[in-house]
Amino acid sequence: SAVISQKPSRDICQRGTSLTIQCQVDSQVTMMFWYRQQPGQSLTLIATANQGSEATYESGFVIDKFPISRPNLTFSTLTVSNLSPEDSSIYLCSATGTLNTEAFFGQGTRLTVV
Amino acid sequence: GENVEQHPSTLSVQEGDSAVIKCTYSDSASNYFPWYKQELGKRPQLIIDIRSNVGEKKDQRIAVTLNKTAKHFSLHITETQPEDSAVYFCAASRGYTGFQKLVFGTGTRLLVSP
Repeated sequence: SAVISQKPSRDICQRGTSLTIQCQVDSQVTMMFWYRQQPGQSLTLIATANQGSEATYESGFVIDKFPISRPNLTFSTLTVSNLSPEDSSIYLCSATGTLNTEAFFGQGTRLTVV
Repeated sequence: GENVEQHPSTLSVQEGDSAVIKCTYSDSASNYFPWYKQELGKRPQLIIDIRSNVGEKKDQRIAVTLNKTAKHFSLHITETQPEDSAVYFCAASRGYTGFQKLVFGTGTRLLVSP
């Protein structure tokens, strides 16, 4: 199974600033995804992080607000830009291994915007 | 796009009872149906999954059934224990693994009382 390390685990940010979240996997993976989870709610997919090309965004999410990088097969970043209190949420990284396996999750980043 | 509905939102049982959580999906092309358990403040973890070529799968006290014609699948937990208390999410995706993006249900909060 893949081990996913995500950091920071939590942060408090001022509105108007940006936060970059890092996701590191301990083995090469095929697919990486970024989800948002409001407290007590379900997981909503933000985008699929594509290695070497632009991320694929879901309806309601745009690159200017949520730029994503994936420079190699084991690392991705999600930036949440121009923060507002509505961005306060938990952000989760997910990855699927190369051996046709399940999707694993990072421990999440709890973002609070003040 | 895919839409996954999950019921009930909350389920309270006595220790030793059985618990059943039901999900329906809309995309007939979905082929992979995992169930995740999320304890408070922790990452979602896969507990069981089923693919469309199988109607039922069992792992100790946990079982999942799939009815592709009716587009619904269910999680069955027998002999519940207090440590089963958590939020459970169903999900659906195209493809046979986590390679494809997951669309999650709204979650069921299971409370097992001693």
